[in-house]
Amino acid sequence: DAGVIQSPRHEVTEMGQEVTLRCKPISGHNSLFWYRQTMMRGLELLIYFNNNVPIDDSGMPEDRFSAKMPNASFSTLKIQPSEPRDSAVYFCASSLRQIRSYEQYFGPGTRLTVT
Amino acid sequence: AQKITQTQPGMFVQEKEAVTLDCTYDTSDQSYGLFWYKQPSSGEMIFLIYQGSYDEQNATEGRYSLNFQKARKSANLVISASQLGDSAMYFCAMRENTGNQFYFGTGTSLTVIP
Repeated sequence: DAGVIQSPRHEVTEMGQEVTLRCKPISGHNSLFWYRQTMMRGLELLIYFNNNVPIDDSGMPEDRFSAKMPNASFSTLKIQPSEPRDSAVYFCASSLRQIRSYEQYFGPGTRLTVT
Repeated sequence: AQKITQTQPGMFVQEKEAVTLDCTYDTSDQSYGLFWYKQPSSGEMIFLIYQGSYDEQNATEGRYSLNFQKARKSANLVISASQLGDSAMYFCAMRENTGNQFYFGTGTSLTVIP
């Protein structure tokens, strides 16, 4: 079975540019999460969706960040304009809310470097 | 207050020995779940084990077991017969059923010594 798919795996961009990260959750999963991981702040939940609807975006750093989930099989995280402090690994995770454990399965991450 | 506390930034264990990674949590929910994830140097996050707050038995998955002490709010991960491939960061996490929030600890770096 295919796991969570993220693209690109690596992204290097200049400050001020728009960055779009993409995620395809595991088929059949109905919850999707975006995380950011840095050495300084660890793993931070940015936003999560249930059945394509954003439930909690309180972790989104500021208005430069936006996330969408137009359908059950695709989500994007956009940063516009990007800044060097946005450099991090961004993970997408999905889970199936109906199962008791509701564990999350993570994608391989996108390593973003903003110069 | 921190929802998940992992007090051991780094741990070393001899190959084939057992090791315990500590995790304490803070919640007022009666229903919650506890998780452990492994993050090797390659970067992916791998789900290891789950414990529900109402589970009376400690969860086990192969060489992994979760020592769940509800009154003490601890959920320690025990890895038996350590292998070199166990060297990684280990994250404890909790899901509160109220509000469906998910929290991660800061992680423990485990190094298995041959």
